[in-house]
Amino acid sequence: AQTVTQSQPEMSVQEAETVTLSCTYDTSESDYYLFWYKQPPSRQMILVIRQEAYKQQNATENRFSVNFQKAAKSFSLKISDSQLGDAAMYFCAYRTRNSGNTPLVFGKGTRLSVIA
Amino acid sequence: DGGITQSPKYLFRKEGQNVTLSCEQNLNHDAMYWYRQDPGQGLRLIYYSQIVNDFQKGDIAEGYSVSREKKESFPLTVTSAQKNPTAFYLCASRVDGSYNEQFFGPGTRLTVL
Repeated sequence: AQTVTQSQPEMSVQEAETVTLSCTYDTSESDYYLFWYKQPPSRQMILVIRQEAYKQQNATENRFSVNFQKAAKSFSLKISDSQLGDAAMYFCAYRTRNSGNTPLVFGKGTRLSVIA
Repeated sequence: DGGITQSPKYLFRKEGQNVTLSCEQNLNHDAMYWYRQDPGQGLRLIYYSQIVNDFQKGDIAEGYSVSREKKESFPLTVTSAQKNPTAFYLCASRVDGSYNEQFFGPGTRLTVL
């Protein structure tokens, strides 16, 4: 079974600075997808960014980018120019690539605080 | 507006009572999921359904039951057999395709007194 590990329960960053959240995963598959979700205090889950394992190019979405290291099974999230609204729980998630609607497997999350 | 609705937002029940959490989506998604969220535990899968009248157990299905009689609806029943039911419950849905975004409802906070 696949597992996702987020080793940083809590992180903090100064406003306008850059922060990197770590995620590692364990799988025997070669083809899969990786996701970062954000959960602000409202508790609504929001997709931040996603990566296809067969693509070597790291995904980017505005201030959010990932560092995908397939051999190391690492998928970190970099947030640039941090804003107060970035304060939230961040979850890394994995999904196998197949024809079915298999569920996401989530890590335990990292709570990010942004200091004004 | 298309989306996923969960009701109620807060739910209180006495110990020993069964309770059903509602999840409805108008996104025409085939797959629906139930997750439980506890502090420091992330999201853990309870049950999921890929199609009407079919569902599979997740990692923590004991003490829970579901039904999928309609594509739009995937209610979760927390039974008295669930040892520690107080938690935040999230429903999600997704259109077919592994890369597709999984959408989440706003969640229900269940407190068992």
